[in-house]
Amino acid sequence: DTGVSQDPRHKITKRGQNVTFRCDPISEHNRLYWYRQTLGQGPEFLTYFQNEAQLEKSRLLSDRFSAERPKGSFSTLEIQRTEQGDSAMYLCASSRAGGQASEQYFGPGTRLTVT
Amino acid sequence: AQSVTQLGSHVSVSEGALVLLRCNYSSSVPPYLFWYVQYPNQGLQLLLKYTSAATLVKGINGFEAEFKKSETSFHLTKPSAHMSDAAEYFCAVSDAPSGTYKYIFGTGTRLKVLA
Repeated sequence: DTGVSQDPRHKITKRGQNVTFRCDPISEHNRLYWYRQTLGQGPEFLTYFQNEAQLEKSRLLSDRFSAERPKGSFSTLEIQRTEQGDSAMYLCASSRAGGQASEQYFGPGTRLTVT
Repeated sequence: AQSVTQLGSHVSVSEGALVLLRCNYSSSVPPYLFWYVQYPNQGLQLLLKYTSAATLVKGINGFEAEFKKSETSFHLTKPSAHMSDAAEYFCAVSDAPSGTYKYIFGTGTRLKVLA
């Protein structure tokens, strides 16, 4: 396994700008998750893909957020009209099919700072 | 609803002392539980997981955890702390009822190891 990779690792943007993050999961993993982690908190679920289908979105994911996973491979998370409250670490994770015993492998995260 | 509670946001131990990090869970179904470690500015690394096979689970780096149904607990222990154990630790439960198996995390415990 080459591991889950995320790009960029850090992003500083001004309020109101759009940003896009990319996640490359482990190649044979068909499940992909996005989480958001703010300072002093545990990661919170944002959205879930099984292959290319987005099957669940958290209420945390406002209309300004959109995620895609074309062809069931890499995924992108876009935030439009960023706000200071969007500043956080965005984590991507992937796992194999296999029920709840199948553990998730996390990428290094993208740290977003909105000024 | 699935949830986990981590008691103690900060724990300090001396090098060589016992490490005990507490996690209690709430689950409507038999839970699958996980402990992850996070080093600064990095993603999460799996330490160990409970999948109902055995109540005492051994993980990496000398960590282990015991599942106690009667106490709804899954505490993480290590007999002898090392300086390299200083990190943040997260307990998580898999959200099986949702069908997505997303993780629900606790708020984390930051472990400090004193020389």
